[in-house]
Amino acid sequence: DGGITQSPKYLFRKEGQNVTLSCEQNLNHDAMYWYRQDPGQGLRLIYYSQIVNDFQKGDIAEGYSVSREKKESFPLTVTSAQKNPTAFYLCASRPGGGFTDTQYFGPGTRLTVL
Amino acid sequence: GNSVTQMEGPVTLSEEAFLTINCTYTATGYPSLFWYVQYPGEGLQLLLKATKADDKGSNKGFEATYRKETTSFHLEKGSVQVSDSAVYFCALSARRRALTFGSGTRLQVQP
Repeated sequence: DGGITQSPKYLFRKEGQNVTLSCEQNLNHDAMYWYRQDPGQGLRLIYYSQIVNDFQKGDIAEGYSVSREKKESFPLTVTSAQKNPTAFYLCASRPGGGFTDTQYFGPGTRLTVL
Repeated sequence: GNSVTQMEGPVTLSEEAFLTINCTYTATGYPSLFWYVQYPGEGLQLLLKATKADDKGSNKGFEATYRKETTSFHLEKGSVQVSDSAVYFCALSARRRALTFGSGTRLQVQP
């Protein structure tokens, strides 16, 4: 089955720790995105990558880092510099080229800071 | 910049009632417009989309028409079911960069 997987589903972090959220897709999509969702709010863009070995900051990149070493993988690291990391994190991907803007989402990772 | 405004929820309806969730947008150029649905604890699923003015997107009984003159993309369904209870997000995409989302509208359908 083609799709986007995120792991873990739930993640707990202590103050001062870095944690990495996994996002993998087997859809052969070129572009990948990370969004953050807070309760009662829409999604906000953290980082995105249009091609391998290239990525750009989104609207709320401070305290986060990413890498795109492989087409199918786009891990997100939440660093200790992120002041309020408790949120639901969603990864998405989109086919490159062509004219489709549709993004496909993974099931999400819920991060809680203890 | 781009922005999306949705009606605040929750919207509470009885089964078989008519649903409208309002969505208006601000964007330069000609964005694509989307409705996504999120069930509790899950990611977002694409419900429908429209890529140009006057296009109507439809899926599972839901419809929305891209109205450039009123910059709107209202979601409608003629007869809701309990299984439609979820959070609905309106979004736009410009220059195929990323999606700009509204704040979401929670729909609760009572039997």
